[in-house]
Amino acid sequence: QSALTQPASVSGSPGQSITISCTGTSSDIGGYNYVSWYQQHPGKAPKLMIYDVSNRPSGVSNRFSGSKSGITASLTISGLQAEDEADYYCSSYTSSSLEVFGGGTKLTVL
Amino acid sequence: QVQLQESGPGLVKPSETLSLTCTVSGGSISSHYWSWIRQPPGKGLEWIGYIFYSGRTNYNPSLKSRVTMSIDTSKSQFFLKLSSVTAADTAVYYCALRPADMVGFDPWGQGTLVTVSS
Repeated sequence: QSALTQPASVSGSPGQSITISCTGTSSDIGGYNYVSWYQQHPGKAPKLMIYDVSNRPSGVSNRFSGSKSGITASLTISGLQAEDEADYYCSSYTSSSLEVFGGGTKLTVL
Repeated sequence: QVQLQESGPGLVKPSETLSLTCTVSGGSISSHYWSWIRQPPGKGLEWIGYIFYSGRTNYNPSLKSRVTMSIDTSKSQFFLKLSSVTAADTAVYYCALRPADMVGFDPWGQGTLVTVSS
């Protein structure tokens, strides 16, 4: 069970949009519509931002959106704000009813 | 609103067993998947496994030989035991809820740092 692949870092200026990719295999991302995304600020617990590929939990800004194509999922943040600076992790359900996380992406707001 | 709180020793000696408790409040433990996730200092998240309220478990294959999860619905608690620990098991350990009707971990406990050292 290998970790999903995310870029180590991405950056953007306030007001811009950024996209974080998450690449897996046909046994995880490609096989199920069960990708979730988490935001983690330093010293804090992760927070669910997207579940089931593209659904936002109540209270999460609509500036956050998720999508999937084949074995790659994506998180897009539009109208970038300083408070969005954090680490972001993807996760996927896999065959054998397991779960796997990505390695994480550090978002810097310039 | 469901809240989770981890508890347990912050220091464990090498080769011993790490034991943690997650206490659930504000909702019923008698449904959903109850999960453990860890994060070594400065590193990413690693799914350890989950236990269904019925007691059915599923573990990360890389940890399966050392992990045991259990649940006490009468106390609204679930538990993690990780045996034969080494320094590589030093991490912040989180418990989290994975609802039965969606795939995503929400909410999470605040996390507890467990250090493996003699």
